Amino acid sequence: DSGVTQTPKHLITATGQRVTLRCSPRSGDLSVYWYQQSLDQGLQFLIQYYNGEERAKGNILERFSAQQFPDLHSELNLSSLELGDSALYFCASSVAFDTQYFGPGTRLTVL
Amino acid sequence: GQNIDQPTEMTATEGAIVQINCTYQTSGFNGLFWYQQHAGEAPTFLSYNVLDGLEEKGRFSSFLSRSKGYSYLLLKELQMKDSASYLCAGGVSGGYNKLIFGAGTRLAVHP
Repeated sequence: DSGVTQTPKHLITATGQRVTLRCSPRSGDLSVYWYQQSLDQGLQFLIQYYNGEERAKGNILERFSAQQFPDLHSELNLSSLELGDSALYFCASSVAFDTQYFGPGTRLTVL
Repeated sequence: GQNIDQPTEMTATEGAIVQINCTYQTSGFNGLFWYQQHAGEAPTFLSYNVLDGLEEKGRFSSFLSRSKGYSYLLLKELQMKDSASYLCAGGVSGGYNKLIFGAGTRLAVHP
């Protein structure tokens, strides 16, 4: 158990819908990261927040957005969902810019 | 570019030693990470190399040569539970932090 928590564990929704994934970092960690893992793409970096500020962006679609709240938890919002958005979404956290520890993931299925 | 290459699959025998190679073309990698991931689960941190040389941690060791863009993960005294995917990732930082992952090497350990 890394100490990073993610909810929900599983999410099934329809195309065109919007969902919110939630992540709580390890106690004391200020950085939160989001990654997407699909069967044909491997683990892809989406975005990093540090102490509430966006610090790095990867291949994150415009339909996706994220934020980190004052209590340091983070949410990833996915809208206008498409079949291809079906994937495992992982959150990771680190103290600052060091080793990242991953949460258990949210499995999103878009039907 | 930031390509990371590693073999897709490997097999080994319980009790043996296996070496998983990772090569990369990097612009800006400041360290090399190895993670273990069982199917459907979170990646688990194994090791981090920032300097050239060998880092040993129990049954697992990791090596880095920055000039050659080469790393390997060495697993000794293989156990059945070591059957998993092993992900090589380059760390990119500079006021931010992100991991660029290879596609992973799926290791099957058989009796």
